[in-house]
Amino acid sequence: SQTIHQWPATLVQPVGSPLSLECTVEGTSNPNLYWYRQAAGRGLQLLFYSVGIGQISSEVPQNLSASRPQDRQFILSSKKLLLSDSGFYLCAWTPPVRDRGDYGYTFGSGTRLTVV
Amino acid sequence: GQNIDQPTEMTATEGAIVQINCTYQTSGFNGLFWYQQHAGEAPTFLSYNVLDGLEEKGRFSSFLSRSKGYSYLLLKELQMKDSASYLCAVRFGAGNMLTFGGGTRLMVKP
Repeated sequence: SQTIHQWPATLVQPVGSPLSLECTVEGTSNPNLYWYRQAAGRGLQLLFYSVGIGQISSEVPQNLSASRPQDRQFILSSKKLLLSDSGFYLCAWTPPVRDRGDYGYTFGSGTRLTVV
Repeated sequence: GQNIDQPTEMTATEGAIVQINCTYQTSGFNGLFWYQQHAGEAPTFLSYNVLDGLEEKGRFSSFLSRSKGYSYLLLKELQMKDSASYLCAVRFGAGNMLTFGGGTRLMVKP
């Protein structure tokens, strides 16, 4: 069966510090991968998505970046965090488009980031 | 843009029935999902609709009208544990990406 791992679960970082959040998927090949951010009491905002190794699409211009160094690994980074980067970060995966069926997203457990 | 609208908050009584509505722009529609999200947790999948009509899963049902750009999630026999946010998400076009509404926070009271 497929599983998705996301870490860390919580993170408190000072303004201006770097960030690295990691997400890995097991039990599937060539997944589509996504990073979302959720501000307190708000909906999900798509940050990045990837359909393959090294292929990253950005939805929102900001000081965050994403990388996909391996098929089942997706990393969210920042060189210098801002206060406005605080939020709940979620990684998600779906099968490749050809296998789509009725699959929606399967989400990781999330990372609660507080920038102080 | 691909706006998805749902009420911000709803309150209902334990044991009652509640309907959460979702409207979306119909252009490019290719599937609608409902997710449940408890505070501080990741969303979990509840239902999927791509054809018109009602899909029933135990206490939860989801309805879709593609021509009207409208869906609802129906929760029956409400329990306290149903207090959560309910997210409506639509897949547009040929890809897998979902666009989410802002979520409806449901509070179930005794």
